[in-house]
Amino acid sequence: NAGVTQTPKFRILKIGQSMTLQCTQDMNHNYMYWYRQDPGMGLKLIYYSVGAGITDKGEVPNGYNVSRSTTEDFPLRLELAAPSQTSVYFCATAQNSNQPQHFGDGTRLSIL
Amino acid sequence: GESVGLHLPTLSVQEGDNSIINCAYSNSASDYFIWYKQESGKGPQFIIDIRSNMDKRQGQRVTVLLNKTVKHLSLQIAATQPGDSAVYFCAETPDTSGTYKYIFGTGTRLKVLA
Repeated sequence: NAGVTQTPKFRILKIGQSMTLQCTQDMNHNYMYWYRQDPGMGLKLIYYSVGAGITDKGEVPNGYNVSRSTTEDFPLRLELAAPSQTSVYFCATAQNSNQPQHFGDGTRLSIL
Repeated sequence: GESVGLHLPTLSVQEGDNSIINCAYSNSASDYFIWYKQESGKGPQFIIDIRSNMDKRQGQRVTVLLNKTVKHLSLQIAATQPGDSAVYFCAETPDTSGTYKYIFGTGTRLKVLA
């Protein structure tokens, strides 16, 4: 039982490149979330999903896109990477809104 | 490993002592609160939660206290061990209208001194 798996763990991108951060879970949770974590700041919600086929914007969605075609997978897409998107990205899942969120170990992304 | 939160408040405690980490939450309507532990290079790890109809909840070596009057949450760690060294932060769910969103604190770094 792996929980929440994020790939890759590290990545360096050039400005303007695109990439997809992968997140998969085997907990059968309906709720999934993408956060970014910047030094000295709390986690900021980028996008979330309450079930397959349903996604919605969080606090900081600009420059990102998501899809949720299955319960297990919730990929995050950066289309035109910018230096402001240098951050650590965490995916999380939850049974419902009143249960704790369970996090992956993150993707550390640098854009140069 | 990578450092998360370069300028966080830091609490230094002697190994074996008790630790108390505090969190002021923002919304009086919040009804669910969680404490997370984050080690360097890792994702946040769930420690303990509490709902607004309680003021205290105990786990293994940890206790969470909730004071709704002053919107304050604390995490007490008994007999602190070197493995407890990490960043700790609280989270609240601000409403029950179905937005499914948490608000996360910035965290406190706990350093355990041998």
